[in-house]
Amino acid sequence: NAGVTQTPKFQVLKTGQSMTLQCAQDMNHNSMYWYRQDPGMGLRLIYYSASEGTTDKGEVPNGYNVSRLNKREFSLRLESAAPSQTSVYFCASSEWPATEAFFGQGTRLTVV
Amino acid sequence: GEDVEQSLFLSVREGDSSVINCTYTDSSSTYLYWYKQEPGAGLQLLTYIFSNMDMKQDQRLTVLLNKKDKHLSLRIADTQTGDSAIYFCAENHAGNNRKLIWGLGTSLAVNP
Repeated sequence: NAGVTQTPKFQVLKTGQSMTLQCAQDMNHNSMYWYRQDPGMGLRLIYYSASEGTTDKGEVPNGYNVSRLNKREFSLRLESAAPSQTSVYFCASSEWPATEAFFGQGTRLTVV
Repeated sequence: GEDVEQSLFLSVREGDSSVINCTYTDSSSTYLYWYKQEPGAGLQLLTYIFSNMDMKQDQRLTVLLNKKDKHLSLRIADTQTGDSAIYFCAENHAGNNRKLIWGLGTSLAVNP
């Protein structure tokens, strides 16, 4: 049982480049989330999808876009990467909003 | 407002008990969670407590909930070096935008 799978695990981008972080879950969960984790800042919610077909902004959505491709997959896109987006990104899923969340292993992104 | 607070650091000696504290503000929360994050990994659910309970025990872990003071604690008995990690407290916010509200995490260092 894979749970929540994120790709890639590591990425280095130049300022202005774009990229998409992929996330897939095999638990038939309705809700999916993207967080970023920075030292001393805890987890900050970027975007979430309460159910297939819906997406909503979290605390720090600027500079990001998301797509809930289907029930399994939720991608996060950086259109023009900035050094301030250097962070560790986590995808998570839960059966319903605000229930127990299951996390991927994270993507460590560095923007130079 | 929505807020979950934790102390950022805790250092204990191996074999001692660790107590990690958390305060929250949403009295309508149904569940309160403790997650563990080991270095370089995603978050994993450690334990949770339903809001109508005062205490929950699971092997070396004891969760205490004081609803009147909105205070949650996690006690780890006989702390081992493998318990070194960041521990996150989270509550499920039951308002219109149902989601998990996270503390900043407590970094537990276990010294031999």
